[in-house]
Amino acid sequence: DTEVTQTPKHLVMGMTNKKSLKCEQHMGHRAMYWYKQKAKKPPELMFVYSYEKLSINESVPSRFSPECPNSSLLNLHLHALQPEDSALYLCASSGRTSGNTDTQYFGPGTRLTVL
Amino acid sequence: GQNIDQPTEMTATEGAIVQINCTYQTSGFNGLFWYQQHAGEAPTFLSYNVLDGLEEKGRFSSFLSRSKGYSYLLLKELQMKDSASYLCAPQTGANNLFFGTGTRLTVIP
Repeated sequence: DTEVTQTPKHLVMGMTNKKSLKCEQHMGHRAMYWYKQKAKKPPELMFVYSYEKLSINESVPSRFSPECPNSSLLNLHLHALQPEDSALYLCASSGRTSGNTDTQYFGPGTRLTVL
Repeated sequence: GQNIDQPTEMTATEGAIVQINCTYQTSGFNGLFWYQQHAGEAPTFLSYNVLDGLEEKGRFSSFLSRSKGYSYLLLKELQMKDSASYLCAPQTGANNLFFGTGTRLTVIP
């Protein structure tokens, strides 16, 4: 089973709203990721959690706040977003599968629209 | 910095073979991933190369030359469902993937 789930599938929010994106995996993976993907562009890494600790923050604005409550869950809290933050937000997880491979498995994404 | 170069678009005929090339220059390199992404969907893992040479997986094969900073994805017996974007992604650290802009492949009858 290589399933990563994300909720909600679609989200529309105003610039003053506070919302959260959720991601879950039950593969025993110890690394989890948030990516942002704009139309016709590749995924861009935002955050990496390794063993429930934030290990990489790719200079993401503070209006995006990640949280890793436990090894299976990853949240992305959103506050005071801008219309240019509208994108597909992808969650991924990875664990050692063979040798040194850390294959990342992606969830279906949350399509976010900021009005 | 990171630099990844792959063709933006390719078109091929159903049943044919297509090769998608990728050249990369990265600070740090552990291996290279290829992902497939259909429009509006998440990327799905296709292959991983860490050593030089060819890795074959059914209709898909991937090749890596570390010294040349070069990889390709070979798709055989193309099917219509293979129409998608193919993302070349060098792994620059234990948890770092850096995605290229992707090659949009269109398979025509």
